[in-house]
Amino acid sequence: GAVVSQHPSRVICKSGTSVKIECRSLDFQATTMFWYRQFPKQSLMLMATSNEGSKATYEQGVEKDKFLINHASLTLSTLTVTSAHPEDSSFYICSAREGGDSYEQYFGPGTRLTVT
Amino acid sequence: GQNIDQPTEMTATEGAIVQINCTYQTSGFNGLFWYQQHAGEAPTFLSYNVLDGLEEKGRFSSFLSRSKGYSYLLLKELQMKDSASYLCAVRERDKLSFGAGTTVTVRA
Repeated sequence: GAVVSQHPSRVICKSGTSVKIECRSLDFQATTMFWYRQFPKQSLMLMATSNEGSKATYEQGVEKDKFLINHASLTLSTLTVTSAHPEDSSFYICSAREGGDSYEQYFGPGTRLTVT
Repeated sequence: GQNIDQPTEMTATEGAIVQINCTYQTSGFNGLFWYQQHAGEAPTFLSYNVLDGLEEKGRFSSFLSRSKGYSYLLLKELQMKDSASYLCAVRERDKLSFGAGTTVTVRA
């Protein structure tokens, strides 16, 4: 089946620094990748949608200058949290979707970010 | 946007059946998903409904009524490993919106 990986699985950083999270589709080409954030005991909230080779589309309330998304190839998307603050501590999950009529999103294992 | 409602918690006994309801309001319905999520892990796909009716897959079944904005996930022959959060997600165009999840606890 389709596999999506994320790296790192856990990261701790200091307030004010930047952190990059990678999302890779291992055995398929992902035309579209999605980035979600999940706070404890809450559901997944879509942050942005990225299509390979084009700019990401951000959801309302998500700062595009703070959460930089790059989808440079059909197998890799990156999310960079810039100038991280403690309130950015969360579980970040990516998902990937093949092109065409494919409806299913394949989720990565998630990245636990803790900002101290 | 969507309003997606599902119960917060449910408890059931091993071997029993549990039904998790989900109601939604959306302007551009394009399918409904059910996912299972264990704590600290990513969601895993359980089922997908785009047409009205029942989809059965082993111990799990999912039902959809588009006119009522209603779906349910039925878990049969509950096992301890089924203790998890179950997320209802509505697809609108190309985006998924998730409910808050239902935490199911299976007791021996």
